[in-house]
Amino acid sequence: EADIYQTPRYLVIGTGKKITLECSQTMGHDKMYWYQQDPGMELHLIHYSYGVNSTEKGDLSSESTVSRIRTEHFPLTLESARPSHTSQYLCASSESTRGGGDEKLFFGSGTQLSVL
Amino acid sequence: KNQVEQSPQSLIILEGKNCTLQCNYTVSPFSNLRWYKQDTGRGPVSLTIMTFSENTKSNGRYTATLDADTKQSSLHITASQLSDSASYICVVSDRGSTLGRLYFGRGTQLTVWP
Repeated sequence: EADIYQTPRYLVIGTGKKITLECSQTMGHDKMYWYQQDPGMELHLIHYSYGVNSTEKGDLSSESTVSRIRTEHFPLTLESARPSHTSQYLCASSESTRGGGDEKLFFGSGTQLSVL
Repeated sequence: KNQVEQSPQSLIILEGKNCTLQCNYTVSPFSNLRWYKQDTGRGPVSLTIMTFSENTKSNGRYTATLDADTKQSSLHITASQLSDSASYICVVSDRGSTLGRLYFGRGTQLTVWP
């Protein structure tokens, strides 16, 4: 069982609202990631972090921002939500290795966001 | 273009039957391939990892195969159970960067009926 938690599980908000999706892991993993997943589609990487004070944009352009002030915490923020942001957001972490993508990802249960 | 294609898109089988899911990839250079199981409303969970030198690997009733020459992998599920109902996602990693970029398939949605 992975020790990575996301809150809230479900969120329905109106257009223009600012939201923060929370993600915490207790495994001490250096690397953390945010993915976006729509039904029947592949996961798209929107942000990742190598460790504290490290954040990078992923492959999919996103209007969200992230921060990594503590190893265990990797929140994602949308300053002004729009209906196009409606999606499932998955947080993941992995142990730091020598590199090369060999790490196994541990995923949270996701946040299903609906913007009206 | 690096891609991961999975088939079938969806599959319905009866409890107790076997099934095989396919994954074809064009990712190069190849590092490894993982199969993940994603239950409805949950995040994906890793089932197995295949590296270049491995042909077959089992995890309980799940058996993964890899043919690095043809760039194909399969996931065989034996004696299916209702709890096997989930989306199975194939993920391929390349060696092209320090991060080791991951390429995700769209998944096969498996439904097991009693």
